Amino acid sequence: KAGVTQTPRYLIKTRGQQVTLSCSPISGHRSVSWYQQTPGQGLQFLFEYFSETQRNKGNFPGRFSGRQFSNSRSEMNVSTLELGDSALYLCASSQGLAEETQYFGPGTRLLVL
Amino acid sequence: GQQLNQSPQSMFIQEGEDVSMNCTSSSIFNTWLWYKQDPGEGPVLLIALYKAGELTSNGRLTAQFGITRKDSFLNISASIPSDVGIYFCAGQKVSNYQLIWGAGTKLIIKP
Repeated sequence: KAGVTQTPRYLIKTRGQQVTLSCSPISGHRSVSWYQQTPGQGLQFLFEYFSETQRNKGNFPGRFSGRQFSNSRSEMNVSTLELGDSALYLCASSQGLAEETQYFGPGTRLLVL
Repeated sequence: GQQLNQSPQSMFIQEGEDVSMNCTSSSIFNTWLWYKQDPGEGPVLLIALYKAGELTSNGRLTAQFGITRKDSFLNISASIPSDVGIYFCAGQKVSNYQLIWGAGTKLIIKP
């Protein structure tokens, strides 16, 4: 099975712009979770989508949004970028059931100038 | 957001030494997971634990699900240079399937 893929791998934007990141989960997985990781920090949970519905949400401002398509692929959008949004954005997929592990993609590294 | 208490924050060890790290929480979890992250990459699952008291090994790695369901530890025996990285614990609550993450333990091996 192919693993979780994320595109693009690297991105440079300027303040005020918006960005869309994409995640393709492992085939058969219906849950996609998004995380933000800043240098030296742990994983900060953004949101989780399961069967095209947002099931869980972290404590991020409304500038961070996401969606999931019928094929389970997910996109994350950040509007009005700020310097502090520079981070590694990770997505993880799972079947979405209890007692289930998440499998991570390689991440998208976003730099906001 | 809510996090698990993971310690130590970082470790400087000699090659060949054993390593131990742990995570604790005030909440009960049904699943404990341990991941390793190499620089610039996503975390990779090392060990998954599903039952209180469970002790599971993966090569030189051993992890245990605490009997109270509020803690877990990870041991690495006879460390080697490729063990460097950041190790994360994560616990899953049964109520909402969400994973709660520790802040990570950075492992550095002195030459």
